[in-house]
Amino acid sequence: ETGVTQTPRHLVMGMTNKKSLKCEQHLGHNAMYWYKQSAKKPLELMFVYSLEERVENNSVPSRFSPECPNSSHLFLHLHTLQPEDSALYLCASSHRTGNTIYFGEGSWLTVV
Amino acid sequence: AQSVTQPDIHITVSEGASLELRCNYSYGATPYLFWYVQSPGQGLQLLLKYFSGDTLVQGIKGFEAEFKRSQSSFNLRKPSVHWSDAAEYFCAVGFKAAGNKLTFGGGTRVLVKP
Repeated sequence: ETGVTQTPRHLVMGMTNKKSLKCEQHLGHNAMYWYKQSAKKPLELMFVYSLEERVENNSVPSRFSPECPNSSHLFLHLHTLQPEDSALYLCASSHRTGNTIYFGEGSWLTVV
Repeated sequence: AQSVTQPDIHITVSEGASLELRCNYSYGATPYLFWYVQSPGQGLQLLLKYFSGDTLVQGIKGFEAEFKRSQSSFNLRKPSVHWSDAAEYFCAVGFKAAGNKLTFGGGTRVLVKP
């Protein structure tokens, strides 16, 4: 059981589609993250939001667009993705001044 | 640049046997250290963490890890493995100046034989 909930758990989309991944945390945290996990590659930090302000954009292509409307919700908007973007996308949260990050179950994305 | 190395990509262990997973890091400052576990198709679950103090830390599911500053290591151990421990294990390192940004190792996949 996790305090970080991600939907959908599985998503298949075409390269011309627009879709969004949603993350909600119930831990009272004020920082949220998107990570990408691809086969045979270490986890990659994509975006960091602290107090709803983006503080990190780790050279992520513009076809990925994050949104953090409040401290409990985080979205990743997807458009014109490539097959190599197929991966597990993990959302995480923490206290802004804390040191421990808690992850959600992930959203499996397949781009066809 | 900071890096985290998990030298073993796969480890196979018999049920009931002991397990040790290696993690080495390269950092200039005193790190924060974490071990996470990922079961198939799932997200990452925190097993344990080290910030300061006693260098032997206890975690959930019977795991422990020992921080050895002289070796820049944070190895994970379990005295007796259960079939449910089959999963992928990730070591992660952060440090105070980087806020909450973690650098992850490549992971070690553990297979448990009956």
